[in-house]
Amino acid sequence: AQKITQTQPGMFVQEKEAVTLDCTYDTSDQSYGLFWYKQPSSGEMIFLIYQGSYDEQNATEGRYSLNFQKARKSANLVISASQLGDSAMYFCAMRDTGTYKYIFGTGTRLKVLA
Amino acid sequence: GAVVSQHPSWVICKSGTSVKIECRSLDFQATTMFWYRQFPKQSLMLMATSNEGSKATYEQGVEKDKFLINHASLTLSTLTVTSAHPEDSSFYICSAREGVISEAFFGQGTRLTVV
Repeated sequence: AQKITQTQPGMFVQEKEAVTLDCTYDTSDQSYGLFWYKQPSSGEMIFLIYQGSYDEQNATEGRYSLNFQKARKSANLVISASQLGDSAMYFCAMRDTGTYKYIFGTGTRLKVLA
Repeated sequence: GAVVSQHPSWVICKSGTSVKIECRSLDFQATTMFWYRQFPKQSLMLMATSNEGSKATYEQGVEKDKFLINHASLTLSTLTVTSAHPEDSSFYICSAREGVISEAFFGQGTRLTVV
């Protein structure tokens, strides 16, 4: 069965510093997609970044980058130059290639300190 | 990116009544829509998958008679919580995808409170 594990319930980071949010996954599929979403207190799920299992390069989107280590089955999110507006809940998710169902981790609550 | 609109954003209803939540894809045709439920400070749990024109597929443990899902068109899916009870109070969020688009896009979510 597929599983996403986020071991950090909460994280603090100083404004302008970088922070890494951990995510490990388990799947027997060869083809899969990994995602990170941000959920502010308002509740909407904001897509941040995507990494395909066959992508050789780590995905980057502005201040977000995904540290993809396939052999270790990890897909950590790195946020550079943290901003106060980055304070939110962050979810790592895996998409099943066949059904397009998303499996979410338990999330990490990030608090950026001024 | 594609836009998914969910309505209402929040709703309060009396115990025993039914409430309908709409999920619309505004600028693409959603061949598949997903409905999730999120309890406070918890992750999103998939409730069901709906494909346009066919019956929804429910995840194990989800009561299909209680959570009625209709995906009558390529731009609209509805979730009806029937005979709602306080334990149904939760955050419900939908996502939609089109066949050629890689990722699914999420609606804003609906916070349901049953009193």
